[in-house]
Amino acid sequence: KAGVTQTPRYLIKTRGQQVTLSCSPISGHRSVSWYQQTPGQGLQFLFEYFSETQRNKGNFPGRFSGRQFSNSRSEMNVSTLELGDSALYLCASSPDRSGIEKLFFGSGTQLSVL
Amino acid sequence: SQQGEEDPQALSIQEGENATMNCSYKTSINNLQWYRQNSGRGLVHLILIRSNEREKHSGRLRVTLDTSKKSSSLLITASRAADTASYFCATDAAGNKLTFGGGTRVLVKP
Repeated sequence: KAGVTQTPRYLIKTRGQQVTLSCSPISGHRSVSWYQQTPGQGLQFLFEYFSETQRNKGNFPGRFSGRQFSNSRSEMNVSTLELGDSALYLCASSPDRSGIEKLFFGSGTQLSVL
Repeated sequence: SQQGEEDPQALSIQEGENATMNCSYKTSINNLQWYRQNSGRGLVHLILIRSNEREKHSGRLRVTLDTSKKSSSLLITASRAADTASYFCATDAAGNKLTFGGGTRVLVKP
């Protein structure tokens, strides 16, 4: 089986712009989670989707949003980018219905906001 | 603040030695997981231990869980240069989401 695929791998944006990141989970996995990783804050949970429904959301402002499609692929969007949004964004899929066991991570999208 | 806190933050050992890292958490959990991350890439799931288990093994990995002390340890035996990575514990204490600790950076010198 192919692993979790995230695109693009690197992205450079300027403040005020918006960005969309994409994630294709492992075939058959219906749960997709997103995490933000920074040197200062570590790994922070953004949100989790299961069968196109957002089941859980982390403590991030409304500028961060996401969605999941019927084929389980997911996108996350960040609007009005700020310098502090520079981070590695990781997507993970899970074979478990709870969505929180044995997560399979993609390689991430490294976002730099200038 | 992080639910899980790893200790030490960094560890440097010689190839062949054992590496031990600890994780402490604050509230009750159903399970605790350990993940490895190589230099800014995605995390790889290593092992999951449930709250009713005390010890679990997987290859050169040994994980213990002490729910009375709210702590877990990960032991890597006979370390190799390829074990150089950051190791994170993660718990499900915050409901239906996984909360990660700050990680332990392990350097295995050849």
